[in-house]
Amino acid sequence: QLQLVESGGGVVQPGGSLRLSCAAFGFPFNGFAMHWVRQTPGKGLEWVAIIWFDGGNKFYADSVKGRFTVSRDNSEKTLFLEMNSLRAEDTAVYYCARGYCSGGYCYTLDHWGQGTLVTVSS
Amino acid sequence: QSALTQPASVSGSSGESITISCAESNSDVGSFHYVSWYQQHPGKAPKLMIYDVSDRPSGVSNRFSASKSGNTASLTISGLQTEDEADYYCSSYTSSSTLVFGTGTKVIVL
Repeated sequence: QLQLVESGGGVVQPGGSLRLSCAAFGFPFNGFAMHWVRQTPGKGLEWVAIIWFDGGNKFYADSVKGRFTVSRDNSEKTLFLEMNSLRAEDTAVYYCARGYCSGGYCYTLDHWGQGTLVTVSS
Repeated sequence: QSALTQPASVSGSSGESITISCAESNSDVGSFHYVSWYQQHPGKAPKLMIYDVSDRPSGVSNRFSASKSGNTASLTISGLQTEDEADYYCSSYTSSSTLVFGTGTKVIVL
């Protein structure tokens, strides 16, 4: 059964770092692009990053560029998000999602994890 | 700042049809061909309802349909049911190889 399971969320002080993981089950992980999306409690969805199936291409939202790094380990079927220089405004539920490709564009998010909460607070 | 604008809320009675709009206001959004729609119930992860403007994934009710005209995409829910009460988001690929979500619409079933 296809499943995405995020972990690594928690409380961190401003300026701190955190690493999120997303374990994939039930599909050929190395054949799909993967995304991170976040949602501030009570607010809308904000796209964070994409990593190509082979890790060869990565793109980020302007709000996290230079502070966050997306990576993947295809042998372990795991996606990561390294978050540095965290700010209060990074507080959110972070979701990983699988990217379905159409016409060479892999920006349809066809399966999502349950999310992990990151709270940036002193 | 989102380049896709949606109404904050749309309401309808059970059995009725409603339409949610998603207006592109930024030329940075790509050709607007790759529009998707997501449904999110409170405390749950989003669920893909429509992709590539008007295609439905398997398992999604045919009461959900979508289209696009010019710089506005639309999601229509026919035969509104109580379980359709949720937040709905559109999204589109951008020319910067990023993804942008709409502002979100709360659907209320009266």
